[in-house]
Amino acid sequence: QVQLVQSGAEVKKPGASVKVSCKASGYTFTSYDMHWVRLSPGQGLEWMGIIYPSGGSTSYAQRFQGRVAMTRDTSTSTVYMDLSSLRSEDTAVYYCARGLSLAAHDYWGQGTLVTVSS
Amino acid sequence: QSALTQPASVSGSPGQSITISCTGTSSDVGGYNYVSWYQQHPGKAPKLMIYEVSNRPSGVSNRFSGSKSGNTASLTISGLQAEDEADYYCSSYTSSSTLPYVFGTGTKVTVL
Repeated sequence: QVQLVQSGAEVKKPGASVKVSCKASGYTFTSYDMHWVRLSPGQGLEWMGIIYPSGGSTSYAQRFQGRVAMTRDTSTSTVYMDLSSLRSEDTAVYYCARGLSLAAHDYWGQGTLVTVSS
Repeated sequence: QSALTQPASVSGSPGQSITISCTGTSSDVGGYNYVSWYQQHPGKAPKLMIYEVSNRPSGVSNRFSGSKSGNTASLTISGLQAEDEADYYCSSYTSSSTLPYVFGTGTKVTVL
């Protein structure tokens, strides 16, 4: 069965970076794109970007440009999301989600809570 | 590019039907048949309920249905059940190269 398993919760200080992993199993890793979405406290879902595991190309939401990097390791079927220059507003649960169709994500990771606090 | 507009809350009694709206523009909801709906229970990951306006993934109850008219998409839950109480988000593909996907503001569904 399809599974996306994310790394554990992180606590970071403002200005630091965080790297969240998402290990996929149960399907052909390079056949589906992978998105990152976050849910901030009291806010809604926010799309951050997409990585195409087959070639590694990426596309990021403009508000994260320059601060986010998404990479993949095809040997371990894992995608990574690196967010730098963290600020308190980045405190959120970060999800990886497999793309089924445009704007449709059929499988989601369990979420990774990132807390940014001094 | 702003978030799609949803009502903050919708409520209904068990067995009733409710409809959640999702209003965008001709650059997103109105321009493409790529609107999805997600259900999210507290502390859980979102679950895809509807994709491409009206398609249900395997395993999703047929009590959930989607539609679109102009720049507004809708999710209807019929035969409301206690387990339907959750947050619901719409999402759409957009024409923006800087934000190709946008979510709605979210709707809290309460079963009375």
